[in-house]
Amino acid sequence: GAGVSQSPSNKVTEKGKDVELRCDPISGHTALYWYRQSLGQGLEFLIYFQGNSAPDKSGLPSDRFSAERTGGSVSTLTIQRTQQEDSAVYLCASSLVPPYEQYFGPGTRLTVT
Amino acid sequence: KNEVEQSPQNLTAQEGEFITINCSYSVGISALHWLQQHPGGGIVSLFMLSSGKKKHGRLIATINIQEKHSSLHITASHPRDSAVYICAVSGSLTGTASKLTFGTGTRLQVTL
Repeated sequence: GAGVSQSPSNKVTEKGKDVELRCDPISGHTALYWYRQSLGQGLEFLIYFQGNSAPDKSGLPSDRFSAERTGGSVSTLTIQRTQQEDSAVYLCASSLVPPYEQYFGPGTRLTVT
Repeated sequence: KNEVEQSPQNLTAQEGEFITINCSYSVGISALHWLQQHPGGGIVSLFMLSSGKKKHGRLIATINIQEKHSSLHITASHPRDSAVYICAVSGSLTGTASKLTFGTGTRLQVTL
């Protein structure tokens, strides 16, 4: 079956612009996670969805970051007024009800110029 | 101090060698995960374990809950094992059973 997919695979944007990143989880996976991997830094948690609700948003770095999930499936991570420090690979993962093995998407590489 | 610490940070081995990567964590967890990230970025989950030992092919993962320590072993290493290996935990005392907290990774290079 299909794995986790993300789009776009690469995004270059100018500082100050808004961007939307999309994640399609594995069908049937109720849990969805967004993570970020910055150059020279490790992976960090951003937000967790269970169904359409987000019980844990503790990793979102500022109020410029938001995410939603509709229909218990697709999720969109939105970054408003992008800054250069937002440049990173944004990874999505999905799983059955936690704690279960997480399946990662290929990521979206965001470059803010 | 990071919640999850890995050692070594970098490791070079010759083909055929037995490899061990260590992970220590400082908080209560519900599960520990070993992940593999190849150049190019894709992350693959190797193991999720909460006790004992798991084996998959040439890979073995163990965990000691009392000592808050896990090891990933690779037997008969091969150049295709070259990757970054990441330890992660879920369910810290201050978190939920969901999100992962990651170690900084171990970069492994296996040469011929």
